[in-house]
Amino acid sequence: AQSVTQLGSHVSVSEGALVLLRCNYSSSVPPYLFWYVQYPNQGLQLLLKYTTGATLVKGINGFEAEFKKSETSFHLTKPSAHMSDAAEYFCAVISNTGNQFYFGTGTSLTVIP
Amino acid sequence: DADVTQTPRNRITKTGKRIMLECSQTKGHDRMYWYRQDPGLGLRLIYYSFDVKDINKGEISDGYSVSRQAQAKFSLSLESAIPNQTALYFCATSEVAGRRTDTQYFGPGTRLTVL
Repeated sequence: AQSVTQLGSHVSVSEGALVLLRCNYSSSVPPYLFWYVQYPNQGLQLLLKYTTGATLVKGINGFEAEFKKSETSFHLTKPSAHMSDAAEYFCAVISNTGNQFYFGTGTSLTVIP
Repeated sequence: DADVTQTPRNRITKTGKRIMLECSQTKGHDRMYWYRQDPGLGLRLIYYSFDVKDINKGEISDGYSVSRQAQAKFSLSLESAIPNQTALYFCATSEVAGRRTDTQYFGPGTRLTVL
């Protein structure tokens, strides 16, 4: 079965520090992987996605993620955190049938001034 | 205007009441989804639909029903609401790549409280 695991339900970083949010997946077919961000009182917005091709994917707001098949990982990074990055972040994988998303439980990012 | 809209945005109801949450989209997507979000549990799929004649149960469909009135409209009903259905509900649509679901686009959510 497909699934994603997000390590760390809460992550705190100082403003200007590196952001690293971890996501590991399981999938028996080549995965489509996504990161979404949810700001308070809003729906989810796509940050970036990996389908095929280049394994380093760049998204909006300076975020990027690298697909590592050998490690079954798709970690999200940003070199320098900004206060506006404070939000909930969700990793997701598409099911083997290609019909559904499976979301992780989310990581809440706090940015400390 | 938002591509995916949900009504109402907030609703407080009592145990046993019937509730309908509505979703409309202008993205022209065939695939639509209903999720619920609970703290610490992420998003869980309730129902999904690939067209007006295709409705499928998701992970947690018990206690819920849906109606796909048109390509653009997908409603979620709670026939007899209970307190553990208190949650944030999201509607989403998705693109398709080949036969595979691709990027999903989410509505702003409906916060439902069942007393």
